[in-house]
Amino acid sequence: QQQVKQSPQSLIVQKGGISIINCAYENTAFDYFPWYQQFPGKGPALLIAIRPDVSEKKEGRFTISFNKSAKQFSLHIMDSQPGDSATYFCAASKGNGETSGSRLTFGEGTQLTVNP
Amino acid sequence: NAGVTQTPKFQVLKTGQSMTLQCAQDMNHNSMYWYRQDPGMGLRLIYYSASEGTTDKGEVPNGYNVSRLNKREFSLRLESAAPSQTSVYFCASSSIAPTGELFFGEGSRLTVL
Repeated sequence: QQQVKQSPQSLIVQKGGISIINCAYENTAFDYFPWYQQFPGKGPALLIAIRPDVSEKKEGRFTISFNKSAKQFSLHIMDSQPGDSATYFCAASKGNGETSGSRLTFGEGTQLTVNP
Repeated sequence: NAGVTQTPKFQVLKTGQSMTLQCAQDMNHNSMYWYRQDPGMGLRLIYYSASEGTTDKGEVPNGYNVSRLNKREFSLRLESAAPSQTSVYFCASSSIAPTGELFFGEGSRLTVL
C-alpha cells in the first residue's frame, strides 16, 4: 500500500507564481520528511527536509509546511522559475540513520512545469 | 567528483534474458540501494545494503538479486527478465546520520521486450 500519497500528479504554473505540492502520510512513526527534485535524465537530489518538531522550514524560495495533526506536509515554491521545472518527490521515514534509505517511502511524484 | 556511477545507461532485453546493472560510488558511503522508478508509482526500493557484506530486501525484490562486491560497488542482477521489469533503475548511496541524504546515480533505462 502507498503510505505516502502525493498530489497533484502534474502542475503547470506561470513564471513568478507559487507552486504548491501536497503529501499525506499514514504512519505516525514517520519523523523525517525530505523532498527530492529530479530533472529529466538525472537522478533525484535532496532539495529540503523537515522534522516534525517544527511546522515550517524555509530555504531560499523553497518552504516545507508541516501539519503533524493532519499528517500532511507540503512544498511551496515561491516566485517559480522555468528552471524549477522538474519532478518533485516527497518522502518519509522513521529515522535517518545509516539505513535511512531503507526506510524512505516515496510519494508518487509531481511533474512541475513553469511557463516563461 | 563522480559520485554514484551506473552502467549501462540504456539496455534492451528479450524476455528470459539476464543482465547485471553495475553501480559504484566514490564517497566512502556505507549504505547503498537499488530503486526502480515507474510512472505514477514514485521510487520503490528493490534491495539495499547497509554495509559491506550485508544485503536486505526492499519493497519489490522479486525477480532480482544483488551483490555488494566491496564498499564501493553494488550490482543488481535480473536472472530472467520479464516485461514487468521494464523501468528506470537508480542506484543510490548514503552516509550515516544526521541527514542520511541519498545520493543517486543518473539511472539505467531498461526495456524488456
